[in-house]
Amino acid sequence: GNSVTQMEGPVTLSEEAFLTINCTYTATGYPSLFWYVQYPGEGLQLLLKATKADDKGSNKGFEATYRKETTSFHLEKGSVQVSDSAVYFCALRSKAAGNKLTFGGGTRVLVKP
Amino acid sequence: EAGVTQFPSHSVIEKGQTVTLRCDPISGHDNLYWYRRVMGKEIKFLLHFVKESKQDESGMPNNRFLAERTGGTYSTLKVQPAELEDSGVYFCASSGDRGDYGYTFGSGTRLTVV
Repeated sequence: GNSVTQMEGPVTLSEEAFLTINCTYTATGYPSLFWYVQYPGEGLQLLLKATKADDKGSNKGFEATYRKETTSFHLEKGSVQVSDSAVYFCALRSKAAGNKLTFGGGTRVLVKP
Repeated sequence: EAGVTQFPSHSVIEKGQTVTLRCDPISGHDNLYWYRRVMGKEIKFLLHFVKESKQDESGMPNNRFLAERTGGTYSTLKVQPAELEDSGVYFCASSGDRGDYGYTFGSGTRLTVV
C-alpha cells in the first residue's frame, strides 16, 4: 500500500535560516505529491504540489521537486520567517488507491526571531 | 466562496458518550472526505462521499463510527459510544469534479474523550 515518511520534528530555526523537511514515499502507480501546511488554529492548506516526475512545485518561497528515482519530495525554503511556524505534512494521491490522500506524520516547524 | 466549515471546533466528552461532528462542504462540491489525526500521528483517511453515496469507507476504524450525507450537502460523523482512542482532530475536505487536486480542508474538530 501507499505510505509517506517524513522527518519528525520539532524543527527549531532562527529567522532567515534554511529549512529542509525530508519526505519519502512508497506508492503503487504514479502518484501526485503534495505538501500541506497547518498554521496554528487553522485548517490544512495546500502549499504546493507536483504531479509527475521531475516537476517542481513552488509557493510562498517553498519548493519541492518530485524525484522518482529516490521516491522523495523534500520541502525547502531558503530563508524562513516567523510566520512560517506551522506543521507541514507531506502527502500523496494515486488513482490506484482511489484518489484518497495518504499523509506523513507531520513536521512541526518553529521559527524564532 | 465560503470554505469548508466544521463544527464544533472543539468537543470534550466522556468515554461512552455520543458525539456528532458536522461538515459543510463548499457549495456544489460533490466529493466530501473525512480524515482524522490521532495522537499527533499521521492524518488518516476515513471515508469519501460522492454526493450522498459512500464511495469508499475503507478507513472507518470500526462500527462505532457512522457517517451520513443526506441530500448530498452537509455530512455528519457520529461516534457512539466514544472511546479514549478516538481523541484527535477530525478533518473534513471537499472537492469538485472527480475529486481532482483541489481539495479544500476545514479547520477540523478537536475531539477529546476523557
